[in-house]
Amino acid sequence: GENVEQHPSTLSVQEGDSAVIKCTYSDSASNYFPWYKQELGKGPQLIIDIRSNVGEKKDQRIAVTLNKTAKHFSLHITETQPEDSAVYFCAASMGGNNNDMRFGAGTRLTVKP
Amino acid sequence: GAGVSQSPRYKVTKRGQDVALRCDPISGHVSLYWYRQALGQGPEFLTYFNYEAQQDKSGLPNDRFSAERPEGSISTLTIQRTEQRDSAMYRCASSLSPRQGTDTQYFGPGTRLTVL
Repeated sequence: GENVEQHPSTLSVQEGDSAVIKCTYSDSASNYFPWYKQELGKGPQLIIDIRSNVGEKKDQRIAVTLNKTAKHFSLHITETQPEDSAVYFCAASMGGNNNDMRFGAGTRLTVKP
Repeated sequence: GAGVSQSPRYKVTKRGQDVALRCDPISGHVSLYWYRQALGQGPEFLTYFNYEAQQDKSGLPNDRFSAERPEGSISTLTIQRTEQRDSAMYRCASSLSPRQGTDTQYFGPGTRLTVL
């Protein structure tokens, strides 16, 4: 099955700085890579995703890049704000109805005002 | 070891009927999550439990949806008076740690619900 590793486990940045979270995956057949944000007391919310036919995707201050050759993908948050503080999870799957979706262990991001 | 199991794998029902979807998490896993997944997309969060306590149900679409986990193990997602728009893959996941946001979630195979 798929194995997803996520780094770092914790990340602290100053407000306004950028934050980068990196994930690697093991199954070259994976083609769908979502990112989730989980705030305290809340369930994970899908914030952005990318498919294997795309190298980069951007949505306002959030961007995700994918390197299929190296089997890694990254989340980039620019101009961080205190409300970006949360735990972020990456995941990988073969999409569709396949049950082999795995989340990374999470990154706790703290944005200091 | 055994992973997350869900039943039934497929459910076809008529509009207006109630359905109950079951999730059996990995043994010993404290947290249990319910998601709804459209084809080719990532799971959208519905609700989750730590032990038997429902922590967050903000993702439930409306009051026809409810979930319970009375003994902190098996969970049931119930949809009352089903509508065609409820048709989707419903997925359950579990994780070991009771501490939110620190543990990998393992997904079950899902229940494909079709409302005619």
